Amino acid sequence: AQSVAQPEDQVNVAEGNPLTVKCTYSVSGNPYLFWYVQYPNRGLQFLLKYITGDNLVKGSYGFEAEFNKSQTSFHLKKPSALVSDSALYFCAVRERGNTGKLIFGQGTTLQVKP
Amino acid sequence: NAGVTQTPKFQVLKTGQSMTLQCAQDMNHEYMSWYRQDPGMGLRLIHYSVGAGITDQGEVPNGYNVSRSTTEDFPLRLLSAAPSQTSVYFCASSSGFHTEAFFGQGTRLTVV
Repeated sequence: AQSVAQPEDQVNVAEGNPLTVKCTYSVSGNPYLFWYVQYPNRGLQFLLKYITGDNLVKGSYGFEAEFNKSQTSFHLKKPSALVSDSALYFCAVRERGNTGKLIFGQGTTLQVKP
Repeated sequence: NAGVTQTPKFQVLKTGQSMTLQCAQDMNHEYMSWYRQDPGMGLRLIHYSVGAGITDQGEVPNGYNVSRSTTEDFPLRLLSAAPSQTSVYFCASSSGFHTEAFFGQGTRLTVV
């Protein structure tokens, strides 16, 4: 069965510093991978996805993520964090050929301090 | 564009009551899903559908029923509410396996 793990409940970073939010996955075969962000009392918003091709994917608001097949990871990164990036971040995976089941990780709270 | 619309936004139920959470999308998406969000648990998939007339169970289906009679609508039914079903519920839709999901604003359900 497919699964996603986000090993950190919270990541703290100072404004202007680089940030990384970690995600590892388990699927049989090649995955479709996604990152979403949730601001307080809101629904989830799409940030970026990996489908195929270049392992480094660029998305919204300056975020990027690196797909590493050997380590089954899809870590979210940003070169310079903003206070406004503080939110809850979710990694999600969908198996290729699966009937559409999209599974999410537990979420990681990102706190960016001025 | 309305996107994914969930109603109601808030609901309080008594144990044993039944209700239906509504979800509608106007993007002609084939894939629709229901999730519940609980602190520390992330989003857990309840039921999903890959098209009208086709539904399947997710990670936590017990206590919930769904149907998909049209492409646009995917209601979630609680037949006999329990306090363990207190949660925030999100509906999502997408056009294909490789496309991003669009989420509704959520329904905050409290069962007392």
